[in-house]
Amino acid sequence: DAGVTQSPTHLIKTRGQQVTLRCSPKSGHDTVSWYQQALGQGPQFIFQYYEEEERQRGNFPDRFSGHQFPNYSSELNVNALLLGDSALYLCASSLDRGGATQYFGPGTRLLVL
Amino acid sequence: AQTVTQSQPEMSVQEAETVTLSCTYDTSESDYYLFWYKQPPSRQMILVIRQEAYKQQNATENRFSVNFQKAAKSFSLKISDSQLGDAAMYFCAFSFGGGADGLTFGKGTHLIIQP
Repeated sequence: DAGVTQSPTHLIKTRGQQVTLRCSPKSGHDTVSWYQQALGQGPQFIFQYYEEEERQRGNFPDRFSGHQFPNYSSELNVNALLLGDSALYLCASSLDRGGATQYFGPGTRLLVL
Repeated sequence: AQTVTQSQPEMSVQEAETVTLSCTYDTSESDYYLFWYKQPPSRQMILVIRQEAYKQQNATENRFSVNFQKAAKSFSLKISDSQLGDAAMYFCAFSFGGGADGLTFGKGTHLIIQP
């Protein structure tokens, strides 16, 4: 049973560019959450997708957007990249029920130059 | 908004000894979930243990146990018989809805295991 997978593992972009990160949830999971983890910090919640809609959002600007597909996989898009967007981006999947555990993928390391 | 505080940036323990990592949180709600996650240098975040706030009994998973003090809003992690493989960043996290809610993380504690 495959766990949460993310692609690509590493990415280098320049300021102003746009980037798309991808996530496949753990088998049977229908909810996907995205987190940004700056170096030396704890992850910060970006948003959560369920039934192909953004259900909840953290304190991130509209430059961060996402999508969830019918097979529950998800994409995170970041427009107009800033140097400060350099971070590890983590995807987590879970069941949509109270108390369910979120399982994390290995992350995508984004470097903005 | 809820906050999670981990006041120990780094802890060191001898192999086979016991270590306790601290976590405090702030919320006005009574129903929530607390988690400890481990992030080794390979960076994959792994769940260590979880606690439902409505349960008075402290959660235990093999060598890992928590001391949940709801009134004090404290959620510490105790690791017994520390092993070299326990070396990692440990993050305390809070959620109202578990899977159906975003997690709020602390800044983490770097645990070093001395052989």
